[in-house]
Amino acid sequence: DVKVTQSSRYLVKRTGEKVFLECVQDMDHENMFWYRQDPGLGLRLIYFSYDVKMKEKGDIPEGYSVSREKKERFSLILESASTNQTSMYLCASRGTGENIQYFGAGTRLSVL
Amino acid sequence: AQSVTQPDIHITVSEGASLELRCNYSYGATPYLFWYVQSPGQGLQLLLKYFSGDTLVQGIKGFEAEFKRSQSSFNLRKPSVHWSDAAEYFCAVGARDNFNKFYFGSGTKLNVKP
Repeated sequence: DVKVTQSSRYLVKRTGEKVFLECVQDMDHENMFWYRQDPGLGLRLIYFSYDVKMKEKGDIPEGYSVSREKKERFSLILESASTNQTSMYLCASRGTGENIQYFGAGTRLSVL
Repeated sequence: AQSVTQPDIHITVSEGASLELRCNYSYGATPYLFWYVQSPGQGLQLLLKYFSGDTLVQGIKGFEAEFKRSQSSFNLRKPSVHWSDAAEYFCAVGARDNFNKFYFGSGTKLNVKP
């Protein structure tokens, strides 16, 4: 089974802090994704990566950056957290040639 | 523009009753279609998918969905709901020409009455 692990289930940070959300997958997938989930809005894509050090902006990249230094790990970075970034963040991965995304359990981030 | 509509935000059904969750999509061609389920505090789990072929697809946990091209719909059904089915359900559309393009509906929360 594909396993996508997000290092934190809950995080509480202060406005202006730099925040790192980590995601690791164990299936050697080339593609990894970060989504933000808000009530009534479904999932919105922040960034995705199709290879090590390669990334593309999704639909709502403002205020976020990402890092993919190793194939199995994809990090989401909030350079200066703001209260409007309080949300549930979901990581996903996908293998090449396969159109199914596998999701982690999510990180619920509160920015105070 | 591509979009996915789940018209029901909340649905409540009695345990043992049948269930149908609606999903309509707007897409230029026949997309890949998915239903995911999210239990409270959890990530998304794939219930079923449609890529091609038989328009009635079976998934895990006794769920099925039917693709109707003429109605641009992919409704999820279950003949008899269990209390453990209480969760949020998301319909999603995937682009055939770009596997990194996924569009999610806003979700339907299912409550199950004893």
